[in-house]
Amino acid sequence: ETGVTQTPRHLVMGMTNKKSLKCEQHLGHNAMYWYKQSAKKPLELMFVYSLEERVENNSVPSRFSPECPNSSHLFLHLHTLQPEDSALYLCASSQELAGAYNEQFFGPGTRLTVL
Amino acid sequence: GEDVEQSLFLSVREGDSSVINCTYTDSSSTYLYWYKQEPGAGLQLLTYIFSNMDMKQDQRLTVLLNKKDKHLSLRIADTQTGDSAIYFCAESLAAGNKLTFGGGTRVLVKP
Repeated sequence: ETGVTQTPRHLVMGMTNKKSLKCEQHLGHNAMYWYKQSAKKPLELMFVYSLEERVENNSVPSRFSPECPNSSHLFLHLHTLQPEDSALYLCASSQELAGAYNEQFFGPGTRLTVL
Repeated sequence: GEDVEQSLFLSVREGDSSVINCTYTDSSSTYLYWYKQEPGAGLQLLTYIFSNMDMKQDQRLTVLLNKKDKHLSLRIADTQTGDSAIYFCAESLAAGNKLTFGGGTRVLVKP
């Protein structure tokens, strides 16, 4: 059990749909992350939240909109996506944002397919 | 800029040792990690090493770091079928929390 859960595990959506990915961590961590893992690229960091505040946005298109209502939950709202956005979206959490040793705990991911 | 590279694929027989290699470009990298991803699962931290260390051993896992050549390797002794997975090398700087990942090495263990 990783302590980080993600729903749904699989999602198929059309380019005009609006959907949301959910991540929940049960570890009491203060920092949460969204990563994108696609077939042809290394894992890419998308967003970082610390104590519910966004601290990093890695030039992610506005069709991806994160939300962190509290330190245990992280959402990724999706709208008007493109087929190239199809990928595995991984959520992670860590105890603190800054520190000498960074261990991030990952969820199982949401496999997103955009038609 | 930061760049982490790994070979794409490794095939090994059960019981043999596996060696997965990784190179990185940022000499400021202070912490280096190995993650394992099994099918359908998220990333699992296997082990890590600080840049002031040359070697770290943890049961069947041995991490070797050549800081001069910016080369990191993971050796898995007595490889088992359960070791079949994708292995990611990652690095981070001293401050902050951003990890830069390699593309992953798919390890296939043959009986």
